[in-house]
Amino acid sequence: GEDVEQSLFLSVREGDSSVINCTYTDSSSTYLYWYKQEPGAGLQLLTYIFSNMDMKQDQRLTVLLNKKDKHLSLRIADTQTGDSAIYFCAGLRGPYTGGGNKLTFGTGTQLKVEL
Amino acid sequence: DTAVSQTPKYLVTQMGNDKSIKCEQNLGHDTMYWYKQDSKKFLKIMFSYNNKELIINETVPNRFSPKSPDKAHLNLHINSLELGDSAVYFCASSHSASGTSGGNTGELFFGEGSRLTVL
Repeated sequence: GEDVEQSLFLSVREGDSSVINCTYTDSSSTYLYWYKQEPGAGLQLLTYIFSNMDMKQDQRLTVLLNKKDKHLSLRIADTQTGDSAIYFCAGLRGPYTGGGNKLTFGTGTQLKVEL
Repeated sequence: DTAVSQTPKYLVTQMGNDKSIKCEQNLGHDTMYWYKQDSKKFLKIMFSYNNKELIINETVPNRFSPKSPDKAHLNLHINSLELGDSAVYFCASSHSASGTSGGNTGELFFGEGSRLTVL
């Protein structure tokens, strides 16, 4: 099966940039996602990147994909205290002709933003 | 309106009991999922249903039985609860993957989670 690894913790100061990294083993992933989980809540999709792209920018978020190294990163510019949460990367192995999206999630990175 | 809603949000029960968690989505999706998140926050897929048919069934004890009465609902029934079943269970929904090449980005929409504690 696929392994998706992330570092467990990241601490940054408010206003700095955060970079959360993810490595994966399955090169057949068609889409890669970043989800955010706040305490006591479900997972919220932040952004995604298609596997034929190497960068995607969405306001304060920048996703970089290095397919050769199977490395995905999420950069959050001007990190705020409201960004404190757990961030999960996930890969979609596709196409899945059975009619379902089997996402494999990373281990999650706890981002702590300090004043 | 909540897109994917689960009930109950919290469930505390004794070992050996049987319990159910319900999930409903109003997004018009045809595929629904159950994920389990353990105490280390690791997320693992358990089941997926597409148009009421089971399509993904990971290695889950047969004490867990999902039921999908229609494509907007996916319930999870657990028999003979064990301590190790304590976790947060997330329901999710999506469009089916068969449309991926046509612009379906495959994203899952998650409910708020149901925290199950087995004593």
